[in-house]
Amino acid sequence: KAGVTQTPRYLIKTRGQQVTLSCSPISGHRSVSWYQQTPGQGLQFLFEYFSETQRNKGNFPGRFSGRQFSNSRSEMNVSTLELGDSALYLCASSSWTGGNNEQFFGPGTRLTVL
Amino acid sequence: SQKIEQNSEALNIQEGKTATLTCNYTNYSPAYLQWYRQDPGRGPVFLLLIRENEKEKRKERLKVTFDTTLKQSLFHITASQPADSATYLCALLSGGYQKVTFGIGTKLQVIP
Repeated sequence: KAGVTQTPRYLIKTRGQQVTLSCSPISGHRSVSWYQQTPGQGLQFLFEYFSETQRNKGNFPGRFSGRQFSNSRSEMNVSTLELGDSALYLCASSSWTGGNNEQFFGPGTRLTVL
Repeated sequence: SQKIEQNSEALNIQEGKTATLTCNYTNYSPAYLQWYRQDPGRGPVFLLLIRENEKEKRKERLKVTFDTTLKQSLFHITASQPADSATYLCALLSGGYQKVTFGIGTKLQVIP
């Protein structure tokens, strides 16, 4: 079974621009979560989508948005980029069907805002 | 507000010894607690889950304890090896819809 894939792996943008990141979950997983990881804050939850609906949302400004398509692929968009948005953005997929409720993470997208 | 603390940013240990990592939390009543391993440049990888009504869980050289009274989980790696060097994250999950809160992680270095 193929793992979670994220594209692109690296991005360099300038302040004020916008960016769209993509995540393809493991086949059959309907839940996709997004996280921001920085050295000082660790993994911060952005939002979670399940069957095209946002179920949970973290404490991030409205500049961070996402969506999920009918094939469970998800995109995350950040508008009006700020220097502080530089981070590793991770997506994780899960089936949430009992067991360990584990999340399977992708390799991440490293975003640098100049 | 909910807070998760993991002990020290880095833990150095001699090969063959038992590594013990701590995860403390406040203002939270998790239904589950998970431990993940993260290597540099990669996403976290799931290791173990323990439920609120479980005291201990084992998997090969790994052992996790969960004390809901102390609001603490301990993660042990016995007979540690240099390949165990990584950052270990604890994560708390509440019941219902899955919003997961991660600790900042503890970096473990196993010295040969």
